[in-house]
Amino acid sequence: QSVLTQPPSVSAAPGQKVTISCSGSSSNIGNNYVSWYQQLPGTAPKLLIYDNDKRPSGIPDRFSGSKSGTSATLGITGLQTGDEADYYCGTWDSSLSAVVFGGGTKLTAL
Amino acid sequence: EVQLLESGGGWVQSGGSLRLSCAASGFTFTNYVMTWVRQAPGKGLQWVSTISRGGGTTYCADSVKGRFTISRDNSKNTLYLQLNSLRAEDTAVYYCAGGSVVVLNHHYMDVWGKGTTVTVSS
Repeated sequence: QSVLTQPPSVSAAPGQKVTISCSGSSSNIGNNYVSWYQQLPGTAPKLLIYDNDKRPSGIPDRFSGSKSGTSATLGITGLQTGDEADYYCGTWDSSLSAVVFGGGTKLTAL
Repeated sequence: EVQLLESGGGWVQSGGSLRLSCAASGFTFTNYVMTWVRQAPGKGLQWVSTISRGGGTTYCADSVKGRFTISRDNSKNTLYLQLNSLRAEDTAVYYCAGGSVVVLNHHYMDVWGKGTTVTVSS
């Protein structure tokens, strides 16, 4: 059972927009910053978003992040088949003194 | 090139020990908070342990507390994870990752290794 809650799967047609939600509590998302990771099949995770809504250099602006209260959202526009991957949200939990992750969301481009 | 290279994984019997290493190159290691993350076969990411830039502060998941120890040698640009009293449920790919984080409530990991596999046989 993950501390952060994500939908197990989402799907959309290529070219469309998809969002992935991440729900937590005041001890994690509510008072700390959220990051998002993309894990393509058979590879290590890769940072997509940090500090809720910032993109590292090299990450296309098709990827966006937002946070409101104790929830965060990853948005992907202009969906491509190459975006098919598992996506994880993560943050620091001040009560647990631990990094916490969501259970992961498998994105399928139909 | 920014790189993290893990080593030390392998097969071990239940109750055994392993020491994982993670060699960093291409960035200023002392500016990075370092973390071990593991992923069991077919499962999601699980945080294992985090160590501060200087190595003086460590954090550990309850599931490994008292069995795993994180450490770093900044003179060698290397991160370690000592795994003792291994159990079958510790079987996973272990990733070394780092973030140029100033305070932990901004925690993120922008450099990742390719992972090393630990298999614990019961």
